Amino acid sequence: AQKITQTQPGMFVQEKEAVTLDCTYDTSDQSYGLFWYKQPSSGEMIFLIYQGSYDEQNATEGRYSLNFQKARKSANLVISASQLGDSAMYFCAMREDTDKLIFGTGTRLQVFP
Amino acid sequence: EAQVTQNPRYLITVTGKKLTVTCSQNMNHEYMSWYRQDPGLGLRQIYYSMNVEVTDKGDVPEGYKVSRKEKRNFPLILESPSPNQTSLYFCASRIDSPPYNSPLHFGNGTRLTVT
Repeated sequence: AQKITQTQPGMFVQEKEAVTLDCTYDTSDQSYGLFWYKQPSSGEMIFLIYQGSYDEQNATEGRYSLNFQKARKSANLVISASQLGDSAMYFCAMREDTDKLIFGTGTRLQVFP
Repeated sequence: EAQVTQNPRYLITVTGKKLTVTCSQNMNHEYMSWYRQDPGLGLRQIYYSMNVEVTDKGDVPEGYKVSRKEKRNFPLILESPSPNQTSLYFCASRIDSPPYNSPLHFGNGTRLTVT
């Protein structure tokens, strides 16, 4: 079974609108962490936001927030007020008690004017 | 500037010709890892290292070797490259002591083509 599932291969959003990128995960560990990375067309991987399994509040970093629903095992990324520069691939990833960071297959976001 | 440096950025080679992709980090991180990225598959871990002289296989280690003789360097070696190793490769590092929420810091990637 997939550990990290991103069901949206591609998403479109208009500039200044908010967009939600979905991520569900599968783990039996009690302690784990969830990460989101951005990969622009230039190829580098940029860390965006982190959510720990014991964190009671949803993580926020500027225009990025993480909608963490532990019972549903979902960790959706919300980007508010989208900008053209947000066009990129977005990867959800999970770290369990092992040291490995497991990635989803990614969602390509395109922001149009 | 804190960074992970990979070289080369682009590499085209032929089947069977040994190659090395270098990776160096200046953040004194204990943990280093190599990933490959393929369309529709996301990033998959090749090898990782918890510290000097300690390396372990990831999910797709076949056809690759690594070494960790110094804390800052973690080269990826392809002894006999094959076309199915054509991919985008990333080196990454992080601290491995609390907080355990430390993110992986990635290099800029190496795009390898094996003909």
